[in-house]
Amino acid sequence: KQEVTQIPAALSVPEGENLVLNCSFTDSAIYNLQWFRQDPGKGLTSLLLIQSSQREQTSGRLNASLDKSSGRSTLYIAASQPGDSATYLCAVNDYKLSFGAGTTVTVRA
Amino acid sequence: DTAVSQTPKYLVTQMGNDKSIKCEQNLGHDTMYWYKQDSKKFLKIMFSYNNKELIINETVPNRFSPKSPDKAHLNLHINSLELGDSAVYFCASSLKGGSSGNTIYFGEGSWLTVV
Repeated sequence: KQEVTQIPAALSVPEGENLVLNCSFTDSAIYNLQWFRQDPGKGLTSLLLIQSSQREQTSGRLNASLDKSSGRSTLYIAASQPGDSATYLCAVNDYKLSFGAGTTVTVRA
Repeated sequence: DTAVSQTPKYLVTQMGNDKSIKCEQNLGHDTMYWYKQDSKKFLKIMFSYNNKELIINETVPNRFSPKSPDKAHLNLHINSLELGDSAVYFCASSLKGGSSGNTIYFGEGSWLTVV
């Protein structure tokens, strides 16, 4: 059974600092890994999708890496802004999506 | 135009009642899902349908019955509601499911409270 862990559970940083969010999973036989953002009272917004054959994906200030063999992914957010405050969820697809509990990020102005 | 829409957004109901949550996607996707997010914020898949056919059915009580009249709709009907059913239910869709590697798009969620 796939287990997904996200560390830390919460993170508070001053504006401008870079963010590093970690995700680990127990079964490396995955098709892809997806990072989502969830705002309070809202649904999930897909940020980045990394296929199992890829090492990283980039979108604007966001960069996600994937090391399938060690069961790890990292989401980097450069030059954080207060608007980046949200919960970030990692999900691995091994035929169905298994989610971590998320990292709640607060960026202080 | 919302890609994945679900109604109602909020639902408060008494124990023992039967309720339905509707979901529609206008993305032309083949695969739709229902996820449950509990009070601890864990998201867990409940069901997945591909072209109206059930392909994933996690260990969900049979009081929960999904219905897919066509591939753009996946409704969730819940019988004999219990307090523990209180959660946020998310509908989602993807172009293809399973090993396809497609991005999954989520609806805004339906907040169910059973009193």
